[in-house]
Amino acid sequence: GQQLNQSPQSMFIQEGEDVSMNCTSSSIFNTWLWYKQDPGEGPVLLIALYKAGELTSNGRLTAQFGITRKDSFLNISASIPSDVGIYFCAGQGSGYALNFGKGTSLLVTP
Amino acid sequence: KAGVTQTPRYLIKTRGQQVTLSCSPISGHRSVSWYQQTPGQGLQFLFEYFSETQRNKGNFPGRFSGRQFSNSRSEMNVSTLELGDSALYLCASSFWGTEQETQYFGPGTRLLVL
Repeated sequence: GQQLNQSPQSMFIQEGEDVSMNCTSSSIFNTWLWYKQDPGEGPVLLIALYKAGELTSNGRLTAQFGITRKDSFLNISASIPSDVGIYFCAGQGSGYALNFGKGTSLLVTP
Repeated sequence: KAGVTQTPRYLIKTRGQQVTLSCSPISGHRSVSWYQQTPGQGLQFLFEYFSETQRNKGNFPGRFSGRQFSNSRSEMNVSTLELGDSALYLCASSFWGTEQETQYFGPGTRLLVL
């Protein structure tokens, strides 16, 4: 499958700060997804994007599907300690399989 | 509604052995996918089953196989284990296994090969 370039690899921030992470691909995707994975658990879907240019929010989370269909970003506003975890982007092209980025590890200090 | 369940949660095997992992999808879901997660390669798609048939397959050797039962439960088998097979194996389910359909992941089975 396609490997996505996700950055940054890790972030260490203070509670209350905003966070931004992004994902790029050399291929076009029809769907972009953002998942969060806590230790010892499977990924949980945060936001799904289905159209180029789409901007979607889920509480303090906002994600956008890039116009070129080759990128997406996720913003977290006013971070809190429970935001700690690993965030993954995933793209879905013409096939069913999800292609994942390597993840962004987020640490939030009180 | 119960989520995706996977058993066992942890497993230790030695090289050359084989292993079978089990996944029970969310009730009503008929599509089950398997993914391998390693620190080096990240999350990679293994295969997907729908109505007892493998519909999609990733780029893994034939040592990795699976099957799905009539109740949509799925098993994944890895034969002749290698050290590099140590990973978290995740199962995901959805109703129809179509694009743009949310895939719900289980907690995974962590396999350690010694």
